[in-house]
Amino acid sequence: GAVVSQHPSWVICKSGTSVKIECRSLDFQATTMFWYRQFPKQSLMLMATSNEGSKATYEQGVEKDKFLINHASLTLSTLTVTSAHPEDSSFYICSAKGTRAPYEQYFGPGTRLTVT
Amino acid sequence: AQKVTQAQTEISVVEKEDVTLDCVYETRDTTYYLFWYKQPPSGELVFLIRRNSFDEQNEISGRYSWNFQKSTSSFNFTITASQVVDSAVYFCALSGINEKLTFGTGTRLTIIP
Repeated sequence: GAVVSQHPSWVICKSGTSVKIECRSLDFQATTMFWYRQFPKQSLMLMATSNEGSKATYEQGVEKDKFLINHASLTLSTLTVTSAHPEDSSFYICSAKGTRAPYEQYFGPGTRLTVT
Repeated sequence: AQKVTQAQTEISVVEKEDVTLDCVYETRDTTYYLFWYKQPPSGELVFLIRRNSFDEQNEISGRYSWNFQKSTSSFNFTITASQVVDSAVYFCALSGINEKLTFGTGTRLTIIP
């Protein structure tokens, strides 16, 4: 149990285009999902906290207009990178927190975004 | 503010040796949680352990063991009889009651056959 999927697993896009990444909790409901970003050989940095039915909370320094997060249901959150630039190339990882004890965060497999 | 320090950037050991990965944390919260994750080359984070601040008991799970010491704000991870499959990047992480994870910079472990 407690499986989180991400789609796509990798994507290449051109500068100026937008890319949508999906994060799904497959066998549990998640009122809260988190989005992280990881540059090569670096640590994971929290970008935003996504709560079902409400606006996402962004960490300091993260542009909310550039990284649009929508958490429309208890099993799906999406991250849209708008007007992508090469510096947005990164590994994006989501996690989902269950609604029942032990309330662990379960991580998705990540999405590797390359902007050319 | 919370902070996690993993001073060891890279470690290499010969297979079957024991290895300890260090983790030091800073937090003002009285209730907090400590984690270790493994990230193999595939990139997917593998959950290893979660510890809350009120439970200082050391834990052993097979070849893995964890030493939590509040007095030194450390949560070290030891792998005994290391295997090649243990090669990965290991992250220590900390969260408060808001559950936002703060990750350390990771330790890249290479097990030499």
